[in-house]
Amino acid sequence: DQQVKQNSPSLSVQEGRISILNCDYTNSMFDYFLWYKKYPAEGPTFLISISSIKDKNEDGRFTVFLNKSAKHLSLHIVPSQPGDSAVYFCAARAGNQFYFGTGTSLTVIP
Amino acid sequence: SAVISQKPSRDICQRGTSLTIQCQVDSQVTMMFWYRQQPGQSLTLIATANQGSEATYESGFVIDKFPISRPNLTFSTLTVSNMSPEDSSIYLCSGWSYTGELFFGEGSRLTVL
Repeated sequence: DQQVKQNSPSLSVQEGRISILNCDYTNSMFDYFLWYKKYPAEGPTFLISISSIKDKNEDGRFTVFLNKSAKHLSLHIVPSQPGDSAVYFCAARAGNQFYFGTGTSLTVIP
Repeated sequence: SAVISQKPSRDICQRGTSLTIQCQVDSQVTMMFWYRQQPGQSLTLIATANQGSEATYESGFVIDKFPISRPNLTFSTLTVSNMSPEDSSIYLCSGWSYTGELFFGEGSRLTVL
Protein backbone atom coordinates (compact mmCIF):
# COMPACT_ATOMS: atom_id res chain seq x y z
CA ASP A 1 0.00 0.00 0.00
CA GLN A 2 1.59 3.23 -1.19
CA GLN A 3 1.12 5.79 1.56
CA VAL A 4 2.90 8.54 -0.33
CA LYS A 5 2.02 9.07 -3.97
CA GLN A 6 3.43 11.19 -6.73
CA ASN A 7 0.98 10.80 -9.55
CA SER A 8 2.96 12.67 -12.18
CA PRO A 9 5.95 10.63 -13.33
CA SER A 10 7.34 13.52 -15.34
CA LEU A 11 7.09 17.28 -15.79
CA SER A 12 8.61 19.68 -18.31
CA VAL A 13 8.96 23.39 -17.64
CA GLN A 14 10.57 26.29 -19.48
CA GLU A 15 13.58 27.89 -17.84
CA GLY A 16 12.54 30.83 -15.69
CA ARG A 17 9.01 29.58 -15.13
CA ILE A 18 7.62 27.95 -12.02
CA SER A 19 7.85 24.19 -11.47
CA ILE A 20 5.18 22.66 -9.26
CA LEU A 21 5.64 19.11 -8.06
CA ASN A 22 2.80 17.43 -6.22
CA CYS A 23 2.55 14.71 -3.63
CA ASP A 24 -0.42 13.11 -1.87
CA TYR A 25 -0.42 11.01 1.26
CA THR A 26 -2.90 8.87 3.13
CA ASN A 27 -1.53 8.51 6.66
CA SER A 28 -2.70 11.24 9.05
CA MET A 29 0.05 10.24 11.48
CA PHE A 30 2.75 11.74 9.29
CA ASP A 31 4.31 14.63 11.19
CA TYR A 32 7.17 15.68 8.95
CA PHE A 33 7.51 15.95 5.20
CA LEU A 34 10.61 16.21 3.04
CA TRP A 35 11.59 16.73 -0.57
CA TYR A 36 14.65 15.20 -2.19
CA LYS A 37 16.34 15.70 -5.52
CA LYS A 38 18.14 12.86 -7.23
CA TYR A 39 20.50 12.97 -10.17
CA PRO A 40 21.33 9.77 -12.06
CA ALA A 41 24.03 7.68 -10.37
CA GLU A 42 23.82 9.73 -7.16
CA GLY A 43 22.01 9.34 -3.88
CA PRO A 44 19.00 11.54 -3.06
CA THR A 45 19.89 15.01 -1.82
CA PHE A 46 17.76 16.63 0.84
CA LEU A 47 16.13 19.85 -0.40
CA ILE A 48 13.56 21.18 2.01
CA SER A 49 11.23 19.97 4.72
CA ILE A 50 8.12 21.04 6.58
CA SER A 51 6.60 20.11 9.88
CA SER A 52 2.95 19.15 10.02
CA ILE A 53 2.27 22.15 12.25
CA LYS A 54 3.14 24.53 9.41
CA ASP A 55 1.60 25.11 6.01
CA LYS A 56 4.53 26.72 4.22
CA ASN A 57 8.29 26.69 4.31
CA GLU A 58 10.52 28.67 2.00
CA ASP A 59 14.21 28.34 1.23
CA GLY A 60 15.50 30.45 -1.63
CA ARG A 61 13.91 29.30 -4.86
CA PHE A 62 12.20 26.37 -3.15
CA THR A 63 8.90 26.56 -1.29
CA VAL A 64 6.98 23.65 0.14
CA PHE A 65 3.26 23.91 0.84
CA LEU A 66 1.32 21.56 3.06
CA ASN A 67 -2.45 21.18 2.95
CA LYS A 68 -3.26 18.79 5.77
CA SER A 69 -7.00 18.71 5.16
CA ALA A 70 -6.37 17.56 1.61
CA LYS A 71 -3.34 15.46 2.61
CA HIS A 72 -1.44 17.18 -0.14
CA LEU A 73 2.10 18.47 -0.38
CA SER A 74 3.67 20.51 -3.14
CA LEU A 75 7.10 21.83 -4.02
CA HIS A 76 7.41 25.07 -5.95
CA ILE A 77 10.64 25.97 -7.70
CA VAL A 78 10.84 29.48 -9.04
CA PRO A 79 12.52 30.47 -11.22
CA SER A 80 13.31 27.04 -12.64
CA GLN A 81 16.82 26.48 -13.94
CA PRO A 82 18.25 23.78 -16.23
CA GLY A 83 20.29 22.47 -13.30
CA ASP A 84 17.04 21.66 -11.53
CA SER A 85 16.43 18.84 -14.00
CA ALA A 86 16.37 15.72 -11.84
CA VAL A 87 14.01 13.27 -10.19
CA TYR A 88 12.21 14.69 -7.17
CA PHE A 89 10.97 12.48 -4.36
CA CYS A 90 8.62 13.50 -1.60
CA ALA A 91 8.83 11.69 1.71
CA ALA A 92 6.81 11.60 4.89
CA ARG A 93 7.77 10.56 8.39
CA ALA A 94 5.79 8.73 11.05
CA GLY A 95 7.84 7.93 14.15
CA ASN A 96 11.20 6.73 12.87
CA GLN A 97 9.83 5.48 9.57
CA PHE A 98 10.15 7.40 6.31
CA TYR A 99 7.88 6.70 3.35
CA PHE A 100 8.78 7.78 -0.15
CA GLY A 101 6.84 8.58 -3.29
CA THR A 102 7.85 7.09 -6.63
CA GLY A 103 9.36 10.33 -7.87
CA THR A 104 8.67 12.93 -10.54
CA SER A 105 11.23 13.53 -13.26
CA LEU A 106 11.55 17.27 -13.86
CA THR A 107 13.03 18.59 -17.08
CA VAL A 108 13.75 22.31 -17.30
CA ILE A 109 14.03 23.36 -20.91
CA PRO A 110 16.55 26.13 -21.62
CA SER B 1 23.89 18.60 6.62
CA ALA B 2 25.17 15.18 7.60
CA VAL B 3 27.95 13.63 5.53
CA ILE B 4 27.46 10.01 4.50
CA SER B 5 30.08 8.10 2.54
CA GLN B 6 29.29 4.80 0.89
CA LYS B 7 31.38 2.31 -1.05
CA PRO B 8 31.63 0.71 -3.48
CA SER B 9 29.77 3.12 -5.73
CA ARG B 10 29.11 0.35 -8.20
CA ASP B 11 29.95 -3.27 -8.81
CA ILE B 12 29.21 -6.07 -11.20
CA CYS B 13 28.89 -9.44 -9.53
CA GLN B 14 28.33 -13.03 -10.47
CA ARG B 15 25.25 -14.96 -9.46
CA GLY B 16 25.68 -16.78 -6.17
CA THR B 17 28.34 -14.49 -4.75
CA SER B 18 28.01 -11.95 -1.93
CA LEU B 19 28.91 -8.28 -1.73
CA THR B 20 29.38 -6.08 1.30
CA ILE B 21 28.61 -2.36 1.11
CA GLN B 22 30.16 -0.04 3.66
CA CYS B 23 28.71 3.18 5.01
CA GLN B 24 30.42 5.82 7.10
CA VAL B 25 28.45 8.69 8.61
CA ASP B 26 29.47 11.74 10.60
CA SER B 27 28.48 12.46 14.16
CA GLN B 28 25.29 14.32 13.23
CA VAL B 29 23.46 11.06 12.59
CA THR B 30 21.40 9.20 15.16
CA MET B 31 19.74 6.33 13.34
CA MET B 32 21.05 4.55 10.24
CA PHE B 33 18.97 2.84 7.59
CA TRP B 34 19.50 0.82 4.43
CA TYR B 35 17.25 1.37 1.43
CA ARG B 36 16.96 -0.20 -1.98
CA GLN B 37 15.82 1.49 -5.15
CA GLN B 38 14.97 -0.79 -8.00
CA PRO B 39 14.63 0.62 -11.53
CA GLY B 40 11.60 2.87 -11.89
CA GLN B 41 10.53 2.39 -8.30
CA SER B 42 10.59 4.32 -5.08
CA LEU B 43 12.99 3.86 -2.22
CA THR B 44 12.19 0.77 -0.17
CA LEU B 45 13.43 0.43 3.39
CA ILE B 46 15.38 -2.79 3.94
CA ALA B 47 16.22 -2.40 7.60
CA THR B 48 17.22 -0.13 10.45
CA ALA B 49 20.81 -0.69 11.49
CA ASN B 50 21.01 -0.87 15.28
CA GLN B 51 24.27 -0.20 17.05
CA GLY B 52 25.66 -3.32 18.66
CA SER B 53 22.61 -5.47 18.05
CA GLU B 54 20.67 -7.13 15.28
CA ALA B 55 19.13 -4.93 12.64
CA THR B 56 15.38 -4.44 12.45
CA TYR B 57 14.16 -5.76 9.11
CA GLU B 58 11.13 -4.69 7.13
CA SER B 59 8.62 -7.12 5.74
CA GLY B 60 10.09 -9.02 2.82
CA PHE B 61 13.70 -8.69 3.94
CA VAL B 62 15.54 -11.25 6.08
CA ILE B 63 18.84 -11.34 7.89
CA ASP B 64 20.16 -14.35 6.02
CA LYS B 65 19.86 -12.52 2.72
CA PHE B 66 20.82 -9.03 3.91
CA PRO B 67 23.02 -9.28 7.00
CA ILE B 68 23.69 -5.86 8.49
CA SER B 69 26.23 -4.77 11.03
CA ARG B 70 26.62 -1.54 12.96
CA PRO B 71 29.53 -1.95 15.34
CA ASN B 72 29.55 1.73 16.34
CA LEU B 73 27.56 4.93 15.91
CA THR B 74 29.13 5.98 12.64
CA PHE B 75 29.72 2.81 10.62
CA SER B 76 27.47 0.15 9.11
CA THR B 77 27.69 -2.58 6.48
CA LEU B 78 25.07 -4.27 4.37
CA THR B 79 25.83 -7.59 2.71
CA VAL B 80 23.80 -8.85 -0.20
CA SER B 81 24.17 -12.62 0.01
CA ASN B 82 23.89 -15.34 -2.62
CA MET B 83 23.05 -12.76 -5.24
CA SER B 84 20.71 -13.27 -8.16
CA PRO B 85 19.88 -10.91 -11.04
CA GLU B 86 16.77 -9.79 -9.10
CA ASP B 87 19.12 -8.20 -6.56
CA SER B 88 20.38 -5.76 -9.18
CA SER B 89 19.51 -2.42 -7.69
CA ILE B 90 20.83 0.73 -6.07
CA TYR B 91 21.47 0.26 -2.38
CA LEU B 92 21.44 3.39 -0.26
CA CYS B 93 22.74 4.01 3.21
CA SER B 94 20.97 6.78 5.08
CA GLY B 95 21.21 8.54 8.39
CA TRP B 96 18.66 10.40 10.44
CA SER B 97 20.15 13.63 11.70
CA TYR B 98 19.48 15.34 15.00
CA THR B 99 17.67 18.07 13.08
CA GLY B 100 15.12 15.56 11.80
CA GLU B 101 16.18 15.16 8.20
CA LEU B 102 17.13 11.92 6.51
CA PHE B 103 20.36 12.13 4.56
CA PHE B 104 21.63 9.64 1.99
CA GLY B 105 24.93 8.32 0.80
CA GLU B 106 25.84 8.32 -2.86
CA GLY B 107 24.39 4.87 -3.38
CA SER B 108 25.90 1.57 -4.53
CA ARG B 109 24.73 0.40 -7.93
CA LEU B 110 24.83 -3.36 -8.02
CA THR B 111 24.51 -5.41 -11.20
CA VAL B 112 24.25 -9.17 -10.89
CA LEU B 113 24.95 -11.22 -13.97
